[in-house]
Amino acid sequence: EPEVTQTPSHQVTQMGQEVILRCVPISNHLYFYWYRQILGQKVEFLVSFYNNEISEKSEIFDDQFSVERPDGSNFTLKIRSTKLEDSAMYFCASSDRDSLNSPLHFGNGTRLTVT
Amino acid sequence: KNQVEQSPQSLIILEGKNCTLQCNYTVSPFSNLRWYKQDTGRGPVSLTIMTFSENTKSNGRYTATLDADTKQSSLHITASQLSDSASYICVVSGYNFNKFYFGSGTKLNVKP
Repeated sequence: EPEVTQTPSHQVTQMGQEVILRCVPISNHLYFYWYRQILGQKVEFLVSFYNNEISEKSEIFDDQFSVERPDGSNFTLKIRSTKLEDSAMYFCASSDRDSLNSPLHFGNGTRLTVT
Repeated sequence: KNQVEQSPQSLIILEGKNCTLQCNYTVSPFSNLRWYKQDTGRGPVSLTIMTFSENTKSNGRYTATLDADTKQSSLHITASQLSDSASYICVVSGYNFNKFYFGSGTKLNVKP
């Protein structure tokens, strides 16, 4: 069964550094998402992306964050200058249509540790 | 404020027993409600999706119910197995059904 893949599985970076988290959504999917989950807390929506543009973003998704679909297969999340509080598990998700019954397919996440 | 509350926070049951997890939400207007299973260190996996017109939906040993009037949902697990040990997350979307509100999850531990 096709799946969403994320790399790396674990990224350690120093405060102030830029990181890029990578995702390969399921190939025929059109809607893409990034979520994060701080350890022990609930999953939080960051951003949704469709037709090469952001369709929705949360208040967490400030100017330090950006997303890109550079080549038609990858979907990336960039954090320009990481802060300690950015440490979390970041999940990419995709779905094949914008309908009430489209399941979201999640990757297994990238654990980001900011030191 | 759009919120999703789940109870209990955690639950321990014996293998073979049934259990019911609860979800209350204040998301309005309501679009759909989903239950996900999240194994430790993994991404959530979809179990059921229900729109406002659906009262119940099953996926194997998992049965979800929805009461859109009282804004409550439950997930019933029948004949639990050790592999059911995971967090179960209730997710609700509103008018913009590309934006989802997550509950904190119920951590289920099935013991032999």
